[in-house]
Order: sequence, then structure tokens, then C-alpha cells
Amino acid sequence: GAGVSQSPRYKVAKRGQDVALRCDPISGHVSLFWYQQALGQGPEFLTYFQNEAQLDKSGLPSDRFFAERPEGSVSTLKIQRTQQEDSAVYLCASSSHIDSPLHFGNGTRLTVT
Amino acid sequence: SQKIEQNSEALNIQEGKTATLTCNYTNYSPAYLQWYRQDPGRGPVFLLLIRENEKEKRKERLKVTFDTTLKQSLFHITASQPADSATYLCALFKYGGSQGNLIFGKGTKLSVKP
Repeated sequence: GAGVSQSPRYKVAKRGQDVALRCDPISGHVSLFWYQQALGQGPEFLTYFQNEAQLDKSGLPSDRFFAERPEGSVSTLKIQRTQQEDSAVYLCASSSHIDSPLHFGNGTRLTVT
Repeated sequence: SQKIEQNSEALNIQEGKTATLTCNYTNYSPAYLQWYRQDPGRGPVFLLLIRENEKEKRKERLKVTFDTTLKQSLFHITASQPADSATYLCALFKYGGSQGNLIFGKGTKLSVKP
């Protein structure tokens, strides 16, 4: 596709449920990033992949958060046992090289009730 | 750790004026700075990149400056239009840095009134 695609666009989960957020990066982009954005804040780094290798996961808030990119293209961010503080917009971005500008998707807005 | 401050949460200006947004940082000097625009409900969109050895970069009505001595970048929109209303984010990139090498500020929400 022409841009980064994220699904679902909105997700409402009851506290304690598991959720999976999907990201389809721009074809051929090596680098893939996940960010969390709270209302009125800038994107906060979660994790970074280069192809299928997860090179940095230092931003994941807890071990309930898990990301994968098994074939070096589509990525999934999974959150287990969701809590209210997980409510945020989750942004995915890709780039052709590590130091190239990022192309963002429009995010998944997660609301945990 | 690296800290980024964008001058204000909100900036209101009149159409036709020049908007100036500030991005200040502490600690290490980045290899380059990026500026992004974000509209409500959308992901950020890349606008401009300026490297540490560049003083100024221009693109149409946009101009970015980078002063490594002051640890500051200024982002200017000349002849502003209501369509320029959005949140503008600065981001610092450092090779081998943490957080995937790129750290974002909180953003400045610009409102251009007709």
C-alpha cells in the first residue's frame, strides 16, 4: 500500500482482556517502530525492529507488552491483561533506513474500561 | 537522559503572520532534528530534517534553524494560513541513542485565526 496501515482503528477492551494491534508498514521498509501517545503528549517510544529482529524494547512499560515482526514486514503489538493506564493511541511507524524520516500510521486508539 | 522542551503547549496567531515554534534540548547534541505535523486523529507527518552541521533549511513557507551552541531549533511558518493549524512535534535523532535513536517532544499546538 501507499502508507502505513494500522488496525483496528479503535479498540475498546474490558480491563483484564488481551488485545492485539496490527501494523502493515510501507513495503520494503526495514525499520519499524511502535510508539504510545497519551492525550496532549508526544509519541513515547515502545520498541524498534530492524527487519525481523527486535533491536530495542526498552520502552515497553511492562512484561504485559509484547511485540513481534516474524517475517520482517507486518508487526503485532500485544497487550495482555489490559489495565486502564494502557488507554492511549498506539502509533506504528516505518522507515527505509535507521536514520530516515518516519512514516506513521494513523494509530489505534485503545480504551480500557 | 535527553530532555526536549517545546516552547509552549499552544500558540495562537493571526493569518498572514509568521509562526515561530521553539524546540530546546539538554544533554547530548543530536545528529539531526526532525519536525513533524500532527492533525487530530492522525499520525505525525514528516516535514523537515536539519543536520547538526546545517544552520538553516527551507521548504516552501517553512524554515528550520539549528543552533547547537544554544541547543535550540526554531521552526518558522511564514504567511501562515488557517490550514496550518495543527500540532507540531520536534524529534531528536542520535546514532546509538536510546529509544530507537529518536526522541519526540510534547508538541506545540498552533492555531491560525482568519
